[in-house]
Amino acid sequence: EADIYQTPRYLVIGTGKKITLECSQTMGHDKMYWYQQDPGMELHLIHYSYGVNSTEKGDLSSESTVSRIRTEHFPLTLESARPSHTSQYLCASSRGQGETQYFGPGTRLLVL
Amino acid sequence: GQNIDQPTEMTATEGAIVQINCTYQTSGFNGLFWYQQHAGEAPTFLSYNVLDGLEEKGRFSSFLSRSKGYSYLLLKELQMKDSASYLCAVSAYILTGGGNKLTFGTGTQLKVEL
Repeated sequence: EADIYQTPRYLVIGTGKKITLECSQTMGHDKMYWYQQDPGMELHLIHYSYGVNSTEKGDLSSESTVSRIRTEHFPLTLESARPSHTSQYLCASSRGQGETQYFGPGTRLLVL
Repeated sequence: GQNIDQPTEMTATEGAIVQINCTYQTSGFNGLFWYQQHAGEAPTFLSYNVLDGLEEKGRFSSFLSRSKGYSYLLLKELQMKDSASYLCAVSAYILTGGGNKLTFGTGTQLKVEL
């Protein structure tokens, strides 16, 4: 059982608000990832980090930003939410190169 | 880039065996993962193959042929709770810093019927 947590699980918010999606893992994993998934669609990598103070953009362009100040914490921030940001956001982590990625429960975001 | 192909939907009967195929094209191949995802939930890890052959884990088995760019997930003694989307994901050494990048297929929606 993977120990990776995401909060909030569900969020409904108005356009223009700033939001931060939290992701924490207690496994000491160096690598962490953010994916975006629309209902019935595939997962798309939007951000990743291979350690503290490192962040990179993924395949899918996203207006969100991330930070990695602590190994266990990888928050994602949207400065000004828009309806097009409505989606499910999944955080994952892995111990190292080639290792299994374990997913958090996800945050379902609805921007009105 | 990477290209992953798997059937969109499959239907099978409770107690039966079903095989879900996945073909892929990639560079820097580092392994293939199968994940299970129930509707509205996060993917959960099922299996990992990096060498050719069959990996068995209870009712679930996964096979890999690197030369053919082909994998399958075999589910035996199907149960109703196995109704879910099954995601084939190819890992490649692409990320800087030594991370593995997972590229997911669109998933195969399996429906188990009585």
